[in-house]
Amino acid sequence: EVQVVQSGGGLVQPGGSLRLSCAASGFTVWDNYMSWVRQAPMGGLEWVSVIYSGGSTYYADSVRGRFTISRDNFNNTVYLHMNDLRADDTAVYFCARDRSASYAFDIWGQGTTVTVSS
Amino acid sequence: QSALTQPRSVSGSPGQSVTISCTGTSGDIGAYNFVSWYQQHPGKAPKVVIYDVSKRPSGVPDRFSGSKSANTASLTISGLQAEDEGDYYCCSYAGSFSGVFGTGTKVTVL
Repeated sequence: EVQVVQSGGGLVQPGGSLRLSCAASGFTVWDNYMSWVRQAPMGGLEWVSVIYSGGSTYYADSVRGRFTISRDNFNNTVYLHMNDLRADDTAVYFCARDRSASYAFDIWGQGTTVTVSS
Repeated sequence: QSALTQPRSVSGSPGQSVTISCTGTSGDIGAYNFVSWYQQHPGKAPKVVIYDVSKRPSGVPDRFSGSKSANTASLTISGLQAEDEGDYYCCSYAGSFSGVFGTGTKVTVL
């Protein structure tokens, strides 16, 4: 079955760090664009970051310099490393596959909650 | 990058058609044919219903259709059904290797 399963997340204090994981099965992450998308409580979707099949990485202005996307080809997993977390980073984070390289996401993870609070 | 603009809500009776607009700029929707639409039910991950402006993934009913004119994309749901109720988001490539989502529209089946 083609799917991604997420792990990580939780409660962290402002200024803290967290790592989210996105383990893929049924396809290989290095052959696809993989993105992270987040959704604030009672809010809309926000694109966060992407790693291209060639390895290039890109970020939304709101997280650039604080978040890092990476992948482990051996474990077929994509990560989102989040540093210097702020209250407005509180959201459900989704991992998503962009199969057609057109910022259209056909496979989504179940979502993982990140809460930044003291 | 500012969010694309969608109406807050639309509604229709079963069997009717509803259209959701998604307005961007000449730097996103107007510049690329990379518009996608997502359906989201409460507590669930989004599901793609349209990609590349008007393409429908396998398994998505043909009552879902997409189009684009200038800086505005549209999603039309024909023959509205109860299970179509939910939140809908548009998304576009925005240049500079980034994406942008719309503000979201709540579809209510009366």
